[in-house]
Amino acid sequence: DSGVTQTPKHLITATGQRVTLRCSPRSGDLSVYWYQQSLDQGLQFLIQYYNGEERAKGNILERFSAQQFPDLHSELNLSSLELGDSALYFCASSIMTGEGEKLFFGSGTQLSVL
Amino acid sequence: GENVEQHPSTLSVQEGDSAVIKCTYSDSASNYFPWYKQELGKGPQLIIDIRSNVGEKKDQRIAVTLNKTAKHFSLHITETQPEDSAVYFCAASRVTGGGNKLTFGTGTQLKVEL
Repeated sequence: DSGVTQTPKHLITATGQRVTLRCSPRSGDLSVYWYQQSLDQGLQFLIQYYNGEERAKGNILERFSAQQFPDLHSELNLSSLELGDSALYFCASSIMTGEGEKLFFGSGTQLSVL
Repeated sequence: GENVEQHPSTLSVQEGDSAVIKCTYSDSASNYFPWYKQELGKGPQLIIDIRSNVGEKKDQRIAVTLNKTAKHFSLHITETQPEDSAVYFCAASRVTGGGNKLTFGTGTQLKVEL
């Protein structure tokens, strides 16, 4: 168990709908990352928050948005969903060590858009 | 941006044999190279990582080697066991104060056969 909690585990919805994915980082971790994993694209970095502020942005669509709250949990909002948005969405929190920033991933949310 | 290529995409070995997975990266400024193991239904788990100022690192049956000149790094698993069966991802990033945008390889499905 990585200590990162993601809910829900599974989400089934229809095209055009909006969903919210939730992530609670490990206790004490200030950074939250969101990744998308699909069969043909692998693990794609979406966005990073650090202590409530957006720190880095990756290949995140304009239909997607995220935020990190004062209690450090984060939410990823996906709107106007399309079939191609079906994927596993992972959140990770991190600690900085002498070697680098080590990421700890949650178990993911499996999103199915029908 | 960074591009990470990973080979092979699938690898089957007999229990007790060694397994080697190779990755190349494109950004010469990348300085942090972690490896993740993803078991079915779970998120990626960090198993070993290396900084660019180190050529090799070992942790029990796993080791990572880095060749900065050639821009490639490899994961070595010795005395493989059935529980080593999983998908392995390499990743690369340039660690800065502005975050750690890991770029992942496409993954290697390792199967350890009895």
